[in-house]
Amino acid sequence: AQSVAQPEDQVNVAEGNPLTVKCTYSVSGNPYLFWYVQYPNRGLQFLLKYITGDNLVKGSYGFEAEFNKSQTSFHLKKPSALVSDSALYFCAVRRDDSNYQLIWGAGTKLIIKP
Amino acid sequence: NAGVTQTPKFQVLKTGQSMTLQCAQDMNHEYMSWYRQDPGMGLRLIHYSVGAGITDQGEVPNGYNVSRSTTEDFPLRLLSAAPSQTSVYFCASSGTGIFNEKLFFGSGTQLSVL
Repeated sequence: AQSVAQPEDQVNVAEGNPLTVKCTYSVSGNPYLFWYVQYPNRGLQFLLKYITGDNLVKGSYGFEAEFNKSQTSFHLKKPSALVSDSALYFCAVRRDDSNYQLIWGAGTKLIIKP
Repeated sequence: NAGVTQTPKFQVLKTGQSMTLQCAQDMNHEYMSWYRQDPGMGLRLIHYSVGAGITDQGEVPNGYNVSRSTTEDFPLRLLSAAPSQTSVYFCASSGTGIFNEKLFFGSGTQLSVL
């Protein structure tokens, strides 16, 4: 069965420290991987995606993610966290043979403390 | 830049009532979709459309209907509301082709069914 796991419900990071939000997936075929962010009382916003090519993908607001095929992971990272990064982060995956349908993780709440 | 516009933002229904959630986008996107977001469950796809006149079911379609008469509009109808449909609903649209695939979300509708 296809699935996406975000193993941490919440991640706490001090401002200025690096942050990592974890995502692992299970799909057959080549995956297309996405990260979205949801600020309080807002819709989701696209951060970045991996389709093919370089395993390190750079996205909006200084975020990046590393695709690791052997570990079936797509962790979101940022070298230096800002308080304004505090939000709910979602990982999603689509099989390359599916019709736009995404499988979503449950979300990880990121809290950046001053 | 309106993007994806959803109305209403809040709605309270009694069990058995029907209503329509409106969604419109001004980006000429072929792909449109409806999701529901429940705590700890991520997003679940209700229905989607890949163009005017074409709709298909997602993961949780029961109790919901959609139609796509124009490229811009994709309303979601609750036929007979049930307490299990209490949720936050998001409409999203995207360009087609994997390199254009990036969901743009509306601001959401918070629905309570009593």
